[in-house]
Amino acid sequence: AQTVTQSQPEMSVQEAETVTLSCTYDTSESDYYLFWYKQPPSRQMILVIRQEAYKQQNATENRFSVNFQKAAKSFSLKISDSQLGDAAMYFCAYRSAGAQKLVFGQGTRLTINP
Amino acid sequence: ETGVTQTPRHLVMGMTNKKSLKCEQHLGHNAMYWYKQSAKKPLELMFVYNFKEQTENNSVPSRFSPECPNSSHLFLHLHTLQPEDSALYLCASSQAVVATGELFFGEGSRLTVL
Repeated sequence: AQTVTQSQPEMSVQEAETVTLSCTYDTSESDYYLFWYKQPPSRQMILVIRQEAYKQQNATENRFSVNFQKAAKSFSLKISDSQLGDAAMYFCAYRSAGAQKLVFGQGTRLTINP
Repeated sequence: ETGVTQTPRHLVMGMTNKKSLKCEQHLGHNAMYWYKQSAKKPLELMFVYNFKEQTENNSVPSRFSPECPNSSHLFLHLHTLQPEDSALYLCASSQAVVATGELFFGEGSRLTVL
């Protein structure tokens, strides 16, 4: 079974600085998708960024980018120019191609210090 | 109203009560999900419905009974729960024929079992 591991329960960063959240996963499949979701306090979880495993280029969405290392099964999220609104729980998730089930990591709580 | 709406947002119940959680999506999706979010644990998939049919039951105890009358509505009926069932219950929706696999989440129903 696939598993997703986020080894950092909590992270903090100064406003305007850059922070990287780690995620590793375990799978025997070659075709899959990886996601980072953001869950602000008492608000709904939203998709931050998505990576298709068959794409070598790392996904980027404005200040958010990933470092996808397929061989190492690593999928880290980099947040540049951190803003107070980035404070949230961040979840890494995996989905096999053709499957509906998302497998989530334990989450990383990100605090932004003004 | 848009997105995925869950009611109630907060629920306190005794172990002998019967209550229900409701989820409604306005996104035109045809797949709906229940996830359980407990502190310091990964999100746990409970049930998946595609076109009103249950396609996955992740070994959930029978005290949780889902119902999906149509593709826009999903219920979770609760009876004789245990204190360890206290958690945030998240509803999500997506297209059943997964392309990108993105899930859209509601804000959750915070359940406390006394």
